[in-house]
Amino acid sequence: GAVVSQHPSRVICKSGTSVKIECRSLDFQATTMFWYRQFPKQSLMLMATSNEGSKATYEQGVEKDKFLINHASLTLSTLTVTSAHPEDSSFYICSASLTGVENSPLHFGNGTRLTVT
Amino acid sequence: GQNIDQPTEMTATEGAIVQINCTYQTSGFNGLFWYQQHAGEAPTFLSYNVLDGLEEKGRFSSFLSRSKGYSYLLLKELQMKDSASYLCAALDSNYQLIWGAGTKLIIKP
Repeated sequence: GAVVSQHPSRVICKSGTSVKIECRSLDFQATTMFWYRQFPKQSLMLMATSNEGSKATYEQGVEKDKFLINHASLTLSTLTVTSAHPEDSSFYICSASLTGVENSPLHFGNGTRLTVT
Repeated sequence: GQNIDQPTEMTATEGAIVQINCTYQTSGFNGLFWYQQHAGEAPTFLSYNVLDGLEEKGRFSSFLSRSKGYSYLLLKELQMKDSASYLCAALDSNYQLIWGAGTKLIIKP
């Protein structure tokens, strides 16, 4: 089945530094990938929709300059948390669906646990 | 507005059956998903319904009634490993997923 790889799984960084998270679709092409954030005991919150070759679409309230998204190829999207602060500590999850299949289920990466000290 | 409702928490006994309900209100509808999420992990896909009726996959079944805006996930022969959160998500007319807050299922021996 479709596999989405997300790296790193865990990262601890100091306040003020930047962190890059990679999301790769391993055996399928994904024109669109999605980035979610999840706080403990809460559901997924969509941050942005990443479109290959174009600018990402951010959800209301998500800072574009803080969460930089690059979808350079059909199999790779990256999320960079710039100038991270402790309140950015969260579980970040990417997902992708099969290109051209609008009701295809999302396949999720394993998530990245970010801790900012 | 768009909304997904599901119970916050449910408790069931190992070996029993449990039904997790989900009601939705969306702008248009293109199907409903159920995902399982264990604590600290990403969600995994369980089922997708777009037509009315029951879809069975082993111990898990999912039901949809489009006229009622209602779905349920049925888990049979419960095992301890089924303890997880179960997320209901509806696909709206723009093929955007609207997520429920999840139902935490606790399985007791």
